[in-house]
Amino acid sequence: DAGVIQSPRHEVTEMGQEVTLRCKPISGHNSLFWYRQTMMRGLELLIYFNNNVPIDDSGMPEDRFSAKMPNASFSTLKIQPSEPRDSAVYFCASKRDAGDSYNSPLHFGNGTRLTVT
Amino acid sequence: AQSVTQPDIHITVSEGASLELRCNYSYGATPYLFWYVQSPGQGLQLLLKYFSGDTLVQGIKGFEAEFKRSQSSFNLRKPSVHWSDAAEYFCAVGAPGYQKVTFGTGTKLQVIP
Repeated sequence: DAGVIQSPRHEVTEMGQEVTLRCKPISGHNSLFWYRQTMMRGLELLIYFNNNVPIDDSGMPEDRFSAKMPNASFSTLKIQPSEPRDSAVYFCASKRDAGDSYNSPLHFGNGTRLTVT
Repeated sequence: AQSVTQPDIHITVSEGASLELRCNYSYGATPYLFWYVQSPGQGLQLLLKYFSGDTLVQGIKGFEAEFKRSQSSFNLRKPSVHWSDAAEYFCAVGAPGYQKVTFGTGTKLQVIP
């Protein structure tokens, strides 16, 4: 079990640039979540997918943020254009939804630390 | 809407001492409850979960938590803390039939010799 894989681990970019964060969920997991963690706001759910379909994107802060899941093994979170207030650690998590979905806990990646200057 | 409160931002305990981290939730019915731990530079790891049944739940690394409906609480405990337990701990709540899990703001645990 390779775990949830996120890339890059660190990203430093200038304001106005496009940033793309990547996530590979655990094989067999059919739900994927993007979280953002900051000191001020803690861990916030941005969006989640079930069977590659976005289910709830109410946590996406604004139109500059977009997420896709083209297949079961890959998802991206894109910020365009990026701003300094987007600086945070972005986590991807996945789980297997099998009937009672909460028998399967969330598995987190190690996160991408984004710094926008 | 579900929510969870962790009233303690930072806690310091001596190695070998007992630990209790507080968590209060808000949800109209019986929730699903979780405790996660995050070490520096790492993602969150599940310690334990409560869905139903026995209100005292055992987890990994010697942790346990007790669900108390009357107090809307799910406090995490450990009888004897080890230096390696220093980390940030998150309580989380989920609703049956709904994928979304809401996390608390976390409690940072410092362990002193």
